[in-house]
Amino acid sequence: EAQVTQNPRYLITVTGKKLTVTCSQNMNHEYMSWYRQDPGLGLRQIYYSMNVEVTDKGDVPEGYKVSRKEKRNFPLILESPSPNQTSLYFCASADSMNTEAFFGQGTRLTVV
Amino acid sequence: GQQVMQIPQYQHVQEGEDFTTYCNSSTTLSNIQWYKQRPGGHPVFLIQLVKSGEVKKQKRLTFQFGEAKKNSSLHITATQTTDVGTYFCAGPTSGTYKYIFGTGTRLKVLA
Repeated sequence: EAQVTQNPRYLITVTGKKLTVTCSQNMNHEYMSWYRQDPGLGLRQIYYSMNVEVTDKGDVPEGYKVSRKEKRNFPLILESPSPNQTSLYFCASADSMNTEAFFGQGTRLTVV
Repeated sequence: GQQVMQIPQYQHVQEGEDFTTYCNSSTTLSNIQWYKQRPGGHPVFLIQLVKSGEVKKQKRLTFQFGEAKKNSSLHITATQTTDVGTYFCAGPTSGTYKYIFGTGTRLKVLA
């Protein structure tokens, strides 16, 4: 079954404690993205990757890092989380930025 | 930077009434996609429009891409309770590989 898998689904952490949210897709997609969703703001792109070892900033990259060492995986790293990073996060993958995107189930992160 | 606004932000309709959401981009989009997100769920792709002035239909849903490729609309005829959710337009930004989503329209359908 074609899918994008994110883990964990829910996470409560404390300010400053490094965390990683994993994302994996099984569709051999080249384009992968991370988004955060906040009420009234829609989904905002944090980082995207065009292919292995090719990543770039989206609209809200501050405080986040990503890596793309393998085609299927695109982890999101928060080196020092802060309360303003409390949000719902989605990973997505697509053949390209011009084709249908498939989303993971989401990760609800709370930073206290 | 480029912005994509959707109106209205919220809409409550009685079951059977029609519904329309409008998407307006500050710059030209090469194509536009529409997604639906059910409460508690993740966005799910509905359709993609590529050509200027393009109109596509999916059962009770009609999608339109503006002539200038800066706006789009989604119209639902005779809404049903299964139409409940938030509808987003989205597309690649001009000259970059970034992807931008509209602010979304949350639809509630009252039975």
